[in-house]
Amino acid sequence: GENVEQHPSTLSVQEGDSAVIKCTYSDSASNYFPWYKQELGKRPQLIIDIRSNVGEKKDQRIAVTLNKTAKHFSLHITETQPEDSAVYFCAASPYGNNRLAFGKGNQVVVIP
Amino acid sequence: EPEVTQTPSHQVTQMGQEVILRCVPISNHLYFYWYRQILGQKVEFLVSFYNNEISEKSEIFDDQFSVERPDGSNFTLKIRSTKLEDSAMYFCASSRDGTNNEQFFGPGTRLTVL
Repeated sequence: GENVEQHPSTLSVQEGDSAVIKCTYSDSASNYFPWYKQELGKRPQLIIDIRSNVGEKKDQRIAVTLNKTAKHFSLHITETQPEDSAVYFCAASPYGNNRLAFGKGNQVVVIP
Repeated sequence: EPEVTQTPSHQVTQMGQEVILRCVPISNHLYFYWYRQILGQKVEFLVSFYNNEISEKSEIFDDQFSVERPDGSNFTLKIRSTKLEDSAMYFCASSRDGTNNEQFFGPGTRLTVL
């Protein structure tokens, strides 16, 4: 089955700097890649997703890039703010499938 | 904005007991899911459910697990005889459509098996 790995496990950034989280996946049939943000004690919230027919997607300060050849995708957060502090999970789902395979999560800490 | 809800937020049970975790998916969603997250580990897929039947299940979802949609709103996960290793956060999710569509998660039920 699909195996998703996330790096780094913890990321500390100064407020205003950019944060980048990378994920790799194993199944070349995967074609849907969502990112979830989970604040302490709250539910995972979808923040952005990308499908394999595009290479990049942006939504305000958040962007996701996908490299199908290398089988990796990244979350980019620009102009980080303290409220961006959370655990971020990447996931992948193979075509024709609705199960999500998650990475282990990244703890992002934005230092004011 | 509609949300997935789950009850209880925390369930403590003795090993060998049966537990039922409850979820109310978003009302116009057709696909329902259960995931679990053991402390410090990945979120893992358990099962997906559509049109009153299981559409897919993982190797974790063995005979001790079952799911049901007993009425038009609830979606339940039953663990027949709990083991210590069933202790985890259990998340319910729902999506409007099937393949490769946005899944909305509930807040989770923390299950502790003693």
